[in-house]
Amino acid sequence: RKEVEQDPGPFNVPEGATVAFNCTYSNSASQSFFWYRQDCRKEPKLLMSVYSSGNEDGRFTAQLNRASQYISLLIRDSKLSDSATYLCVVNTNAGKSTFGDGTTLTVKP
Amino acid sequence: DGGITQSPKYLFRKEGQNVTLSCEQNLNHDAMYWYRQDPGQGLRLIYYSQIVNDFQKGDIAEGYSVSREKKESFPLTVTSAQKNPTAFYLCASTPSRLQETQYFGPGTRLLVL
Repeated sequence: RKEVEQDPGPFNVPEGATVAFNCTYSNSASQSFFWYRQDCRKEPKLLMSVYSSGNEDGRFTAQLNRASQYISLLIRDSKLSDSATYLCVVNTNAGKSTFGDGTTLTVKP
Repeated sequence: DGGITQSPKYLFRKEGQNVTLSCEQNLNHDAMYWYRQDPGQGLRLIYYSQIVNDFQKGDIAEGYSVSREKKESFPLTVTSAQKNPTAFYLCASTPSRLQETQYFGPGTRLLVL
């Protein structure tokens, strides 16, 4: 079993739709959590950190459930420009980062 | 502008050849990392360095070597011992090893002829 597992996708949604991605992690010592966005053939870029209390940035909401060891990303009112691969990243307290394989989102007109 | 640069953008390797990928940062970050990404997969850690003249193996270090002679530079050599080197190689940095948001360079695509 992988340390970090994401919804396999791909997700194909119409503009304006709400879409949610889940990510589970197996290391209970994990300390910090992130969502990165990666466009085709480009480098990953930080989308948002994930806090225990949940956090929101515009149309994006991230949630963390430590008891069940999963994090989620909700995108509301999807735009064409949201089409990308979303990577879940989990860090241990030793600073080791483990990346999920990513979930691909395609938003269609 | 501060950032991370990687060169070349594309690199071709012949059988039995060693090749070196460049990574330079002017962010004054202490920690630097090399990752490999295969199609449809996440990033896997090859090597990382927390300070100058020090580096540690990541999860898939076999067939690779690094050096960290300067804070700004962390080159990766793909040796002939790496039998399946075709991948997208990404360099990243963080202010310190324990600081978590990673800044990535644009990557190098390595192809075997």
